Amino acid sequence: DAEITQSPRHKITETGRQVTLACHQTWNHNNMFWYRQDLGHGLRLIHYSYGVQDTNKGEVSDGYSVSRSNTEDLPLTLESAASSQTSVYFCASSTAPGNLGGRGNEQFFGPGTRLTVL
Amino acid sequence: GQNIDQPTEMTATEGAIVQINCTYQTSGFNGLFWYQQHAGEAPTFLSYNVLDGLEEKGRFSSFLSRSKGYSYLLLKELQMKDSASYLCAVRHNTNAGKSTFGDGTTLTVKP
Repeated sequence: DAEITQSPRHKITETGRQVTLACHQTWNHNNMFWYRQDLGHGLRLIHYSYGVQDTNKGEVSDGYSVSRSNTEDLPLTLESAASSQTSVYFCASSTAPGNLGGRGNEQFFGPGTRLTVL
Repeated sequence: GQNIDQPTEMTATEGAIVQINCTYQTSGFNGLFWYQQHAGEAPTFLSYNVLDGLEEKGRFSSFLSRSKGYSYLLLKELQMKDSASYLCAVRHNTNAGKSTFGDGTTLTVKP
């Protein structure tokens, strides 16, 4: 069965370190997204990609970067981790727009990565 | 931009009906999603509305009024397992690959 996985599931790091969170999907979806979720907030979009070599900034992109070298993976890098980046990070994927019937290209989410920056 | 409002918390009794509202103000609209998220888990898709009216799927129904910028999720015959957060998300018109999420409504179902 197709799936979307994230690793690690839990990570503790120190302020100033570079951290990379992995996201891998076998849905063959063109679209991939990274969100963070904090208590009292919904999902806030960090970066997204509509295909290989395409990346775009979301609403909370400062301090984060992504790269898309293949369809399956969208790693998220925190260049210099800060305590404000302690959060739960979700990766998601979806088909490309164009198929507007039925489920509307809903997003499939990975299990999440809980990141703590000390 | 997008502005999405949902109640923060709701409580209901097992077996009852509950309606979770979502209002949105958007510069472009191309559909509205509802997702369910149990504590400590990932969101999962519940429903999608792009035209006005009611979409029914078993115990869950979702309604959309585009002219009013309003949607609701109706949960019938509540079960304890329905205790979760319910996220409303609006898909953009000009950038239809992505959605903006509301902060979610935490529903607690009591016996």
